[in-house]
Amino acid sequence: QKEVEQNSGPLSVPEGAIASLNCTYSDRGSQSFFWYRQYSGKSPELIMSIYSNGDKEDGRFTAQLNKASQYVSLLIRDSQPSDSATYLCAVILSGSARQLTFGSGTQLTVLP
Amino acid sequence: GAGVSQSPRYKVTKRGQDVALRCDPISGHVSLYWYRQALGQGPEFLTYFNYEAQQDKSGLPNDRFSAERPEGSISTLTIQRTEQRDSAMYRCASSPGGGLEQYFGPGTRLTVT
Repeated sequence: QKEVEQNSGPLSVPEGAIASLNCTYSDRGSQSFFWYRQYSGKSPELIMSIYSNGDKEDGRFTAQLNKASQYVSLLIRDSQPSDSATYLCAVILSGSARQLTFGSGTQLTVLP
Repeated sequence: GAGVSQSPRYKVTKRGQDVALRCDPISGHVSLYWYRQALGQGPEFLTYFNYEAQQDKSGLPNDRFSAERPEGSISTLTIQRTEQRDSAMYRCASSPGGGLEQYFGPGTRLTVT
């Protein structure tokens, strides 16, 4: 079992819809979770961090964390074609001071 | 302000040569990280520094890989006796003191022929 798992996609949604991206992790002691967006040929860009159970909203983005289910998700409201990218989930596993362990990413396409 | 910078952006080298990859973190950032990213995968941790101290080098694949950050700012990742399997995108990230959020540079694409 991989430590951080994401559906590789591709995930396609129509413009204006809600895109839902999911991530599960194996280490129950993990406390810090991040979502990065990576456009093709570019570097990962941090879009959200979440540390507590529940929802965290930032503009059109909402991160949701459920530590009991070892599940973190990212919702993108009013999806735009410019949101088309690969979304990477990253976790700081317990026993790792700061290193990020990444999933393999979900490729999102927003159709005009 | 300026983000993380890396140089060179592209490096082609012959098998057996040594290469040095440079990372200049965001000004004032205490922690600096090196990752390697294969196509279609997320970045994979190599090593990280707090100031000039190397805190964790558990991700370095073997002893041909080393890193330093002698003055607590710029860091160099050195790969000795390169092999074709070392070909990848090498990414550097930095974070401020007390912060866990990491900000990535543009990466160095290394190709070993």
